[in-house]
This record gives sequence, C-alpha cells and structure tokens, in this order.
Amino acid sequence: DTAVSQTPKYLVTQMGNDKSIKCEQNLGHDTMYWYKQDSKKFLKIMFSYNNKELIINETVPNRFSPKSPDKAHLNLHINSLELGDSAVYFCASSPRERGAQETQYFGPGTRLLVL
Amino acid sequence: AQTVTQSQPEMSVQEAETVTLSCTYDTSESNYYLFWYKQPPSRQMILVIRQEAYKQQNATENRFSVNFQKAAKSFSLKISDSQLGDTAMYFCAFTGYEKLTFGTGTRLTIIP
Repeated sequence: DTAVSQTPKYLVTQMGNDKSIKCEQNLGHDTMYWYKQDSKKFLKIMFSYNNKELIINETVPNRFSPKSPDKAHLNLHINSLELGDSAVYFCASSPRERGAQETQYFGPGTRLLVL
Repeated sequence: AQTVTQSQPEMSVQEAETVTLSCTYDTSESNYYLFWYKQPPSRQMILVIRQEAYKQQNATENRFSVNFQKAAKSFSLKISDSQLGDTAMYFCAFTGYEKLTFGTGTRLTIIP
C-alpha cells in the first residue's frame, strides 16, 4: 500500500483553467504539506496543515487554495492557471503537530504542465 | 531565516567508489534535525538518512553515513561502495520548529 498518494501523476492543461490535485496519506499522520519543485529542482514549501488546520502559508498566490476535508487528505486547488505554475507538486506528511521536526514522507509528485 | 547550501551542483564517481556530498546550513536554533533525501529519475523523494542535532554520534544507514559538525554547521553525506542505483539528485534539508528547508541539490551520477 502506498503511504502517501497523489492524483493525478501528470496534468496537462491550458492557461486560465482551474485544476485540483488530490493527496491522501494512510500513515495516520497529523500534519500534511504541499511543496513545489521548479524546473531547476528547487523544492519549496507552500502550505502545511495540522488536523485540518492551516499552520504554514508561505507567500503563495491566492490562486492556490489548499483544502483538508480530514487529516488524511490535503487537496490543492489552483485557479486561473499560469505558465509559471508548471512544476512538480509534492504532497508530504509527518506524524505530529510539531511536524517540522519529524521526518516527512513524500508522495510521488504531480507533474503539472500549463500550455 | 534558515538557509541550506549545497555547493556541488553535480558530481560523478565510478561504481564501487566512495563519494562525499557537502552541505552547510545556517540557523540560530539550538534544537533541529537534518536530513538527506534522494530523488532518482522516478522523481520520488526518498529519505536516505536523518540526524538529530542533539546527538553527537553520526547517523549511519548501511552504505550511507553522515559527518555532522555542529559547530561548523556542516552535514556531509558519505556513500560507500556506490552502486548504479545511487544515481539521483540528493537534497540536504534542515528543520527547526517551523518548516523543512531544502538545499538546491547535488546531481550524482554513478559511472559503470
């Protein structure tokens, strides 16, 4: 069983569209994260949720909205997609509230290409 | 603000040799964790090894070991008896209280 799963793995879409990426973890972790990896492979945190509560919100455009229906799921919705949104998006999870000091387990990533 | 620096963008080594990847970090926190993650061409992020700052003993995981120099804020990864499957991007990462900060990565190629 996959510990942290993401769907879809690949997403190709036109500029201006709205799309969502889903993430689920079956590890029983309390904290979940979204990261963006750009074309130069640089990884940067976007959001962090603990038990459905937003705890980290980096300087990310308002077009990006995370949603956590329960602590096992953290979805990422992106409105009005732009060319610069093309990247690989990783979901991750860690055990406890102070998740930053715990090991984070990553999903397989979603490669988003905006045309 | 915490920063993580990997000064070697690319490295290559012959199979079965030993290679060391460098990482330095900057922080004012006293309690923190350091990690090395591996990202093979499949793009999956895989935890290689983890070190707690309060532990003086260097972490080891099979062929992977670290040289943690707290005063120098250095955290290098040594891969012994390198294998073709070690070919990947390697990311050093730091976490204190808030978030995980990654370095820019080192692309390691193992040559047959």
